[in-house]
Amino acid sequence: GIQVEQSPPDLILQEGANSTLRCNFSDSVNNLQWFHQNPWGQLINLFYIPSGTKQNGRLSATTVATERYSLLYISSSQTTDSGVYFCAVEDSGGGADGLTFGKGTHLIIQP
Amino acid sequence: SAVISQKPSRDICQRGTSLTIQCQVDSQVTMMFWYRQQPGQSLTLIATANQGSEATYESGFVIDKFPISRPNLTFSTLTVSNMSPEDSSIYLCSVEDNGYTFGSGTRLTVV
Repeated sequence: GIQVEQSPPDLILQEGANSTLRCNFSDSVNNLQWFHQNPWGQLINLFYIPSGTKQNGRLSATTVATERYSLLYISSSQTTDSGVYFCAVEDSGGGADGLTFGKGTHLIIQP
Repeated sequence: SAVISQKPSRDICQRGTSLTIQCQVDSQVTMMFWYRQQPGQSLTLIATANQGSEATYESGFVIDKFPISRPNLTFSTLTVSNMSPEDSSIYLCSVEDNGYTFGSGTRLTVV
C-alpha cells in the first residue's frame, strides 16, 4: 500500500515563530488532507489539498502531486497551535478507500 | 460537509466485556470508515462499512473482534469484543464528503 512519511516528528517553537511541516507519499493520490489533533483527541480537518496551494488565515498548504509531497506552513505560531499534525492520503484507485495516515508531527508552541 | 455524531465519547471497561460505539451522520453516505488510534500512534483503518453488505476489514483486523453493523445510510456501529488492555485506544468513524470528515472519537480504556 501507499506509504506516508512526515517530518519532522517533533518540533518545539516559541510563540510567534513560523514552521514548515512536510509530507512525502509514495504513489499518486486522489486525496490529501492535513489534520490537527488537539489534546482532547479531536481531529480537525485543516486542508483538503490533493494539488495546488490553499491558505486559511495563518495556515497555508501546498501539494506538488507530480513530486509526491505536501507542505503545511504555520505562521506566527500561537500556543493553541500545539498538538499533532497528520497528513493523510487516499490512493488513486477507484472509489472511496479511506485514508492512510502518516505518523504525524508533534508540535509544541511555548509561550 | 457532513456532520458526524459519535458516542460514547469515552468509557472505561472491564477486560472480557464488549463495547459498542455508534456513529450517526446528518446525510446519507455510501460508505463509513472505522479507525483505531493506539496511544501515541497514528490512525489505522480497521474496516469499511457499506450499507447492505458485510464490512471489509483491513489486514490485522477480524470480524469476530470488531463486528460492524450498517443498517442504513446514516448510521453505523463498531463493537470491540472481548476486550483486553491492548484494546485501549481512540476509535473514530469517518465519511467521505468532499474530503474525509471524522467523528469526535471514543476514548476507550480497558482495565
